[in-house]
Amino acid sequence: EAQVTQNPRYLITVTGKKLTVTCSQNMNHEYMSWYRQDPGLGLRQIYYSMNVEVTDKGDVPEGYKVSRKEKRNFPLILESPSPNQTSLYFCASSQLALSTGGLYNEQFFGPGTRLTVL
Amino acid sequence: AQTVTQSQPEMSVQEAETVTLSCTYDTSESDYYLFWYKQPPSRQMILVIRQEAYKQQNATENRFSVNFQKAAKSFSLKISDSQLGDAAMYFCAYRWNNDMRFGAGTRLTVKP
Repeated sequence: EAQVTQNPRYLITVTGKKLTVTCSQNMNHEYMSWYRQDPGLGLRQIYYSMNVEVTDKGDVPEGYKVSRKEKRNFPLILESPSPNQTSLYFCASSQLALSTGGLYNEQFFGPGTRLTVL
Repeated sequence: AQTVTQSQPEMSVQEAETVTLSCTYDTSESDYYLFWYKQPPSRQMILVIRQEAYKQQNATENRFSVNFQKAAKSFSLKISDSQLGDAAMYFCAYRWNNDMRFGAGTRLTVKP
């Protein structure tokens, strides 16, 4: 079954304790991305990756790190979490987009990770 | 930067009736994609419908259809014959290249 998996699904932690949220996809997608969802703000992009070893900042990258050492995995790292990073996090993957259209552009989302930083 | 605006934080519809959710966006690009995603209480993001900007014909998926007005930069979602299972948060999204933007969402309630 084609899917994006995230772990853990729920996490409660304390300020300053490093954590990693894993993301894995089995669709051989080049593009992967992390979003955070906050009430009234929708989903905002944190980081994205267009292929192995290629990552770039989204709209809200502060306080986060990512790595893309393998095509299927794209972990999100919070080196020193703070309460303002309490949020719902989504990982997504898709084929690489082309600006001229004609390429299937749907992003497939993981189930989400609810993070609470105390 | 491209922005996506959903002006209706909440909407309500009677079961079997029709409801339209609004979305506008701002872009200087000509080729892009627009999406509506549904997020039920399970929090899973589910693609409802997709529209390519170069296509003039409005996309349709069963009871879901869009009204895409490229010049007005408007992309509304119409849900016909609303069902209880349609109750969810709906997000409008824009994608150009690898830049993807979401609106703040519209919470749809379906009354029996």
